[in-house]
Amino acid sequence: AQSVTQPDIHITVSEGASLELRCNYSYGATPYLFWYVQSPGQGLQLLLKYFSGDTLVQGIKGFEAEFKRSQSSFNLRKPSVHWSDAAEYFCAVGARGGADGLTFGKGTHLIIQP
Amino acid sequence: GAVVSQHPSWVICKSGTSVKIECRSLDFQATTMFWYRQFPKQSLMLMATSNEGSKATYEQGVEKDKFLINHASLTLSTLTVTSAHPEDSSFYICSAKDRGPLEQYFGPGTRLTVT
Repeated sequence: AQSVTQPDIHITVSEGASLELRCNYSYGATPYLFWYVQSPGQGLQLLLKYFSGDTLVQGIKGFEAEFKRSQSSFNLRKPSVHWSDAAEYFCAVGARGGADGLTFGKGTHLIIQP
Repeated sequence: GAVVSQHPSWVICKSGTSVKIECRSLDFQATTMFWYRQFPKQSLMLMATSNEGSKATYEQGVEKDKFLINHASLTLSTLTVTSAHPEDSSFYICSAKDRGPLEQYFGPGTRLTVT
């Protein structure tokens, strides 16, 4: 069975600083990887996804992520965070071409310092 | 495009009653819908997968008699929480996909509070 680990429960970053959120996955075949953001009391918004091809994927809101098969990682990055980026971030893995439900990590709570 | 709605967005019910939550794909045909549950400050856990016209497949540990799922059409799936108890209070989120894209589209969620 697949699993996702987000080792950082909370991360605090100063506004304007760079950000990297870590995600490691466990899956026996080619993974389908996703990053979602959730604001308090809200649903999920897809930031970006990796299915195949270029291992550096660009998403919305200036986010990018890099798939590294050798490290089983799919870390999310942003060069300069804004106060509005404060939210909960979830990494997720899907299997079987998307026919199954997603397995989510426990999430990383991002706090932005002024 | 690819919009999924849920109704209601929040609901309060008394212990012992049943509550129905609707999940609709507004601009595409959802051959598969998924139901997730999220406890406060925790991650999303897949509860069940439903394919149009078929019985839902439940994840291990999810009571199928308590969480009734119906996917009667290509645009609507319903989750009924039967004989709800306070421990069923949670945020329920659905997602939907059609045959083509690999991506799931998530609804905004329904917050259920059982008193």
